Order: sequence, then structure tokens, then C-alpha cells
Amino acid sequence: ILNVEQSPQSLHVQEGDSTNFTCSFPSSNFYALHWYRWETAKSPEALFVMTLNGDEKKKGRISATLNTKEGYSYLYIKGSQPEDSATYLCAFMKGRWGAQKLVFGQGTRLTINP
Amino acid sequence: DTEVTQTPKHLVMGMTNKKSLKCEQHMGHRAMYWYKQKAKKPPELMFVYSYEKLSINESVPSRFSPECPNSSLLNLHLHALQPEDSALYLCASSQVRMVQGGQPQHFGDGTRLSIL
Repeated sequence: ILNVEQSPQSLHVQEGDSTNFTCSFPSSNFYALHWYRWETAKSPEALFVMTLNGDEKKKGRISATLNTKEGYSYLYIKGSQPEDSATYLCAFMKGRWGAQKLVFGQGTRLTINP
Repeated sequence: DTEVTQTPKHLVMGMTNKKSLKCEQHMGHRAMYWYKQKAKKPPELMFVYSYEKLSINESVPSRFSPECPNSSLLNLHLHALQPEDSALYLCASSQVRMVQGGQPQHFGDGTRLSIL
């Protein structure tokens, strides 16, 4: 894979259900994978910076895993709430510290139905 | 409230105008970024400043001119823009630490730019 790809592009989930989506990225020359949440009319908010193969990070009901060998990361949301409605962006970091270059995926637009 | 402040929030300008976008942060971050985001597309990196020096220019046309006058401020000067330059322009900042994986970026709310 040459670019960052996210799937699905959009997702509708019932309140209380759990969900997950995928980010695929180049598996060579890996430095980091970032996850951001972007709510409408707000600024993107950093969720996780993931660096090590097998990494698992958690923030409240949201967690993420990382597989650098096969080039994918999963984001999980447990017990979805209306406030989870947002676009979730992953970004592959190119280059090293000092001048980060993030290449973003298209995002997964999540809508939680009450 | 976002810790990165961008002004103005909206800007409409003609193709012959000169205007500037401003970005300010007081988190002590020494890396600052400009991104361009078109509708239904991801943010695309334009410029990176590290310690007030331009470190990345993603082959951006010269009608966009960045400036970093000090560690808290980042400007984007606009001149003779084209209609296709209409987009959301996002500013971000981050720490510059020599750790693997870099630092999360903190984004402003963006400036919505429309070129007539």
C-alpha cells in the first residue's frame, strides 16, 4: 500500500453499540501512526500517537491497536454515544522528529443514531 | 476551547487581493504547520516551520507565502489566488521532541477561504 486508506468511509451506529474501523498504511519506513477526531465546526483533536508494533492505547471508551508489520491500525469505540459522532482521521507520519509530515487518510465519518 | 487561534474564521477575497491568515499558539510549541483541506478530502500539508525556520514546503505555489515571525505566530500571506484555492486552511502546532513517533499536533479551527 502506498497511501493511507481508511474504511469504511462512513458508518451509522446505534447508540450503545460498539464499533470499529480500519486504517491501512505503508508498512515500510514506519515512524508513527496518529489518530484524530474531527467534530463538525471544531478543530481536529489528537486521540493517539502509536509507534510500536502491537501497541494498544485507550482513552475512555476509545481504544486503538497497531500492526506495523502488516500496516494497519484499528480504532474501537465501546458503547457509542451521540457525542462520538465525528470524522475519525488516521495519519501516517513520514520523516523524523523536528519536521513531522503527516499524511492523512480520507477519514471515517461516524454517525451515532439515538 | 482550542489552544491554537486562527484569524479570520472566514475570508472572501478577489483574485487580485492580498490578504493574510494568522495563527497563534502559546503552548511553547516550536513546530508549526499549515494544511489545506478541500471538501470531502483529508488535510494536505503545505508548510512546516521548526524553530521558526521553514523546514518543509510541499511544492506550494508562490502565491502562498508563509512567515513565522516568532515562536508563537505563523502567518500565511495570500496574493493573486485562484478559485481552486478556495478551501479550509488549518494551522497546527506541536512540540519538537526527539522521541520516536513525534508529538500530537494541536489544530486551530481553520480559516474558510473563498476566492471570487
